[in-house]
Amino acid sequence: GQQLNQSPQSMFIQEGEDVSMNCTSSSIFNTWLWYKQDPGEGPVLLIALYKAGELTSNGRLTAQFGITRKDSFLNISASIPSDVGIYFCAGHGAGTASKLTFGTGTRLQVTL
Amino acid sequence: DTEVTQTPKHLVMGMTNKKSLKCEQHMGHRAMYWYKQKAKKPPELMFVYSYEKLSINESVPSRFSPECPNSSLLNLHLHALQPEDSALYLCASTRGNFMDTIYFGEGSWLTVV
Repeated sequence: GQQLNQSPQSMFIQEGEDVSMNCTSSSIFNTWLWYKQDPGEGPVLLIALYKAGELTSNGRLTAQFGITRKDSFLNISASIPSDVGIYFCAGHGAGTASKLTFGTGTRLQVTL
Repeated sequence: DTEVTQTPKHLVMGMTNKKSLKCEQHMGHRAMYWYKQKAKKPPELMFVYSYEKLSINESVPSRFSPECPNSSLLNLHLHALQPEDSALYLCASTRGNFMDTIYFGEGSWLTVV
């Protein structure tokens, strides 16, 4: 089946630093979604992308839908302690519109 | 705050018990989902209901039985579960087109003892 490779698996950064994570696939995706999940909670949607090349911001977060439709990145600027959590990319692959495929997650920890 | 509401937040049940997880949304969404998530892993799709009809069952064991009484409600009936079924169970919904953005509830933590 389709897989999304998410990197890095985990990151330790200092407060105020910028963060970048990405998601890649060997096959084409029609949508890219980025979620954040806090411990014991459900995933919360951060950004949704629907068109190749699309660049969308949500506050300190910026995400892009890769031109090849096989990748996406999420940037967080000026990180703060509440950015801690697991970030998942997800997407609808071409031909599997009914099923959302998730990446393996990036665990972000922010130190003061 | 999420607009997908799940109850209970936490559930502990024995292997011979029968219990249910409940999910409700009032966004007018017509597709609803159950996902299972183990610790440090991404959510895994279990069931999809579209317009109150079961459209996807990802080969889930019959000890999990979904039910969609109406377009706003989704239940997951549990019976004779195993300890390895302990996980976070997430409900989600979309407007109706599977390509739409999917919104998750906060989840129900299930522990099978």
